[in-house]
Formats: sequence, structure tokens, C-alpha cells
Amino acid sequence: ETGVTQTPRHLVMGMTNKKSLKCEQHLGHNAMYWYKQSAKKPLELMFVYNFKEQTENNSVPSRFSPECPNSSHLFLHLHTLQPEDSALYLCASSQDRGGQASNQPQHFGDGTRLSIL
Amino acid sequence: ILNVEQSPQSLHVQEGDSTNFTCSFPSSNFYALHWYRWETAKSPEALFVMTLNGDEKKKGRISATLNTKEGYSYLYIKGSQPEDSATYLCARNSGGSNYKLTFGKGTLLTVNP
Repeated sequence: ETGVTQTPRHLVMGMTNKKSLKCEQHLGHNAMYWYKQSAKKPLELMFVYNFKEQTENNSVPSRFSPECPNSSHLFLHLHTLQPEDSALYLCASSQDRGGQASNQPQHFGDGTRLSIL
Repeated sequence: ILNVEQSPQSLHVQEGDSTNFTCSFPSSNFYALHWYRWETAKSPEALFVMTLNGDEKKKGRISATLNTKEGYSYLYIKGSQPEDSATYLCARNSGGSNYKLTFGKGTLLTVNP
């Protein structure tokens, strides 16, 4: 149990569907992250939220829409995805200490395995 | 573009062997270097976060060193056990960002009993 819970664990959707991924952290952290893991590629950062404000958008296509209603919850809304978006999507959280989140370990969820038909 | 390189890509060792792998990264604008262990069907687990040149950290049989001037970190596992089998990831802060980490592709370690 890492303190970061992601749902669903698996998702199969068509290209015209709309779905959402959910992440919840119980660690009292104030920074939350979405990562994408594609086959044979390194973990790739998508979005960062700090105290509910988006601080990083790593040139992610608009068919991925993040939402962070509070410091404990993070969503990734999916719409009109492409087959190349099939991947493992990981959520993580960390504590931001004085604006230096990069020197704090990140705590990851188990991920959502997404398949686009 | 920040490139974090890990070598070897994969490694097979026998139970009881000691082993090590390398993470190489650009040394400019360095804040922190992370190591994670990622077992199959589980989530990545933080091992170490290192910030200072010459840092050495240890957790049980696993230790890591950091050289920020030449841009590399080593991860050592002493007396490997089958449960050490996992992908080991390193990551470095990206440029001047306080939040963004750039990950390497990882080293896949398999420990044979």
C-alpha cells in the first residue's frame, strides 16, 4: 500500500468514448503528477499540480484534460483518444518543501492500463 | 532536451552475486537524482533521493553514490536475492524545474535462484 490509489486498474475504450482516470493520495502531499509509460520508452511526465494549481504541462495533446479539485484528488479526462495513446498511466504525489519538490521522493499508484480500440 | 541514460539495459545475475548499474545525466542545473525500484505489476518505489556531490546512501543491501560534476550515479546491490528482481529507474530534475523529473529507461535486473 503506497498511499496512492488509482482507478480503474484497466480500461478499454473506443476512440470516440469519453472516460476519466482517478487518483487519490492519503499522504498529505501537496504535489500530484500524471505520467505516461509507453512500451520501451521511459516514464514521461504529462502534468504537475501543486496546491491544486497546474505547474507543468509537458506539451500534452488537448484530448487529455487534467483536473485537480483539491490536493488529494487528481483526474485525467480522456476524449477522442488515438491508438498510440494506449499505455500505462501512473499517478504520483510528493511533498513540496519550500518550492523544492524535486528533492522529495515521489509516491506512485499502481497505474491504469489503458487500451484504445 | 535532457537525456538520462541507464546501463546496462538488462542484467541477469545469480543469487548471492553483487551487482551495480549506472545512471548518466547532464550535470548542468542539477538539483536532485532519484532512484526507484519497479517490480512487475506493482508501483515504482522510491529508493533514494540524492542532492549533493559525493552523496552516498544505503538501504539494507542497496546503496547508491552520486557524482554531480561528471554526471553519474551508481546503484549497488550486495548479495542479490530473487526478490531484488525488478526494473531500477533513475531520474533527474529537468532543467530549472522544481517539479519535473526526467527518467531513464531503466535497468531490468533478474536474479536467478
